[in-house]
Amino acid sequence: DIQLTQSPSFLSASLGHRVTITCRASQGISSDLAWYQQKPGKAPKLLIYAASTLQSGVPPRFSGSGSGTEFTLTVSSLQPEDFATYYCQQLNSYPITFGQGTRLEIK
Amino acid sequence: QVQLVESGGGVVQPGRSLGLSCAASGFSFSDYSMHWVRQAPDKGLEWVAVISYDGVKKYYADSVEGRFTISRDNSKNTLYLQMNSLRSEDTALYYCAKVRGGDGSFDPWGQGTLVTVSS
Repeated sequence: DIQLTQSPSFLSASLGHRVTITCRASQGISSDLAWYQQKPGKAPKLLIYAASTLQSGVPPRFSGSGSGTEFTLTVSSLQPEDFATYYCQQLNSYPITFGQGTRLEIK
Repeated sequence: QVQLVESGGGVVQPGRSLGLSCAASGFSFSDYSMHWVRQAPDKGLEWVAVISYDGVKKYYADSVEGRFTISRDNSKNTLYLQMNSLRSEDTALYYCAKVRGGDGSFDPWGQGTLVTVSS
């Protein structure tokens, strides 16, 4: 199985700041990676697919990059609604796996 | 708009069975693979199973293989998850999710249905 390791697991940041979350895969997965945002009591929401493609309706302050084994999700200027938990997901092979999550909180 | 509504969750004793449903609307259900994903209380996301658009191909997480069965009825626009031999570690919020497109990502997700396995 392909393991995904996100770092950091917890992130505290201020409004307007730029943050980056990293997702590392245990083996190469090309660009078969997605990012999701989950707020308390809500279902996950797709932000980025194919490593770097912004899902329709997602603000352009979100961006994704990477290929192979290392990927990043960047939020360029944090807004109040961005404080949530973020998960990466690999879609290269079954079983599909998720990272353990990164909880982003207001500083 | 695309909508997925799960149902069937509840409290069940260990070793018993439970069936979940996911009613789909707003898209051509028979054209898309569908997934089940679960989330234990205060834990991360765990993929459970996938079924191809025509119901032919199915894959499962090792943790549920042999106990859970995914199925679909394209005439009813409904996805199912039959869960047998339930264990306490199966306690979770169960989401169904539609495949977005060729990349395979999940969009959207339903609101989830809670399964609690407890004596």
